[in-house]
Amino acid sequence: QSVLTQPPSVSGAPGQRATISCTGSSTNIGAPYDVHWYQQLPGTAPKLLIHGNTNRPSGVPDRFSGSKSGTSASLAINGLQTEDEADYYCQSYDNGLSAWVFGGGTKLTVL
Amino acid sequence: QITLKESGPTLVKPTQTLTLTCIFSGFSLTTNDVGVGWVRQPPGKALEWLALIYWNDAKRYSPSLKRRLTISKDTSNNQVVLTMTNMDPVDTGTYYCAQTSVIAGGNWFGPWGQGTLVTVSS
Repeated sequence: QSVLTQPPSVSGAPGQRATISCTGSSTNIGAPYDVHWYQQLPGTAPKLLIHGNTNRPSGVPDRFSGSKSGTSASLAINGLQTEDEADYYCQSYDNGLSAWVFGGGTKLTVL
Repeated sequence: QITLKESGPTLVKPTQTLTLTCIFSGFSLTTNDVGVGWVRQPPGKALEWLALIYWNDAKRYSPSLKRRLTISKDTSNNQVVLTMTNMDPVDTGTYYCAQTSVIAGGNWFGPWGQGTLVTVSS
């Protein structure tokens, strides 16, 4: 069981919007520690997608956006493209565990 | 351009000690607030943070694995080494190193190395 809870899978049609939730608690997201998001394309290493809840590193398309409220965060992907099919992970820090923690991952399928 | 690359054995036997090396370029572990972390991923499963070392030699370990892990750095050769003792088949997975920095709101990890697959089997 991951400290941060994500849905195992989400799907959407090309051009549609998909959202992935990440639910934590008062010792991590609600503490409040920032939430970061990673994209892991099949067979590759994770890549930083969003840092500090809402910030996109250089090169990340603005179709990707992050938000945070209370003990939860969300990743939104607008204008879904087939190349967005990947696993997505949220990450934060937990002061109860004194550890950096990841969500269980969400597999995005673009139908 | 920042790059990281992991190296180490692809196969270890149960009870053996695993030693992994992360060789990096494009940044220095003598720069304030900079660190290198290790994250692993069992086949088909989620990411798990293992350990982290900072520019000032401060070290942090996953509480669940702390007894088995040691992280160290060689700043002159731009390397970070992770050792994990008493390996078990459940430790099979891909091990990644990644750059990190001290951030007030909580560190993130990136860029990442390509990862190295470690199989634990007799």
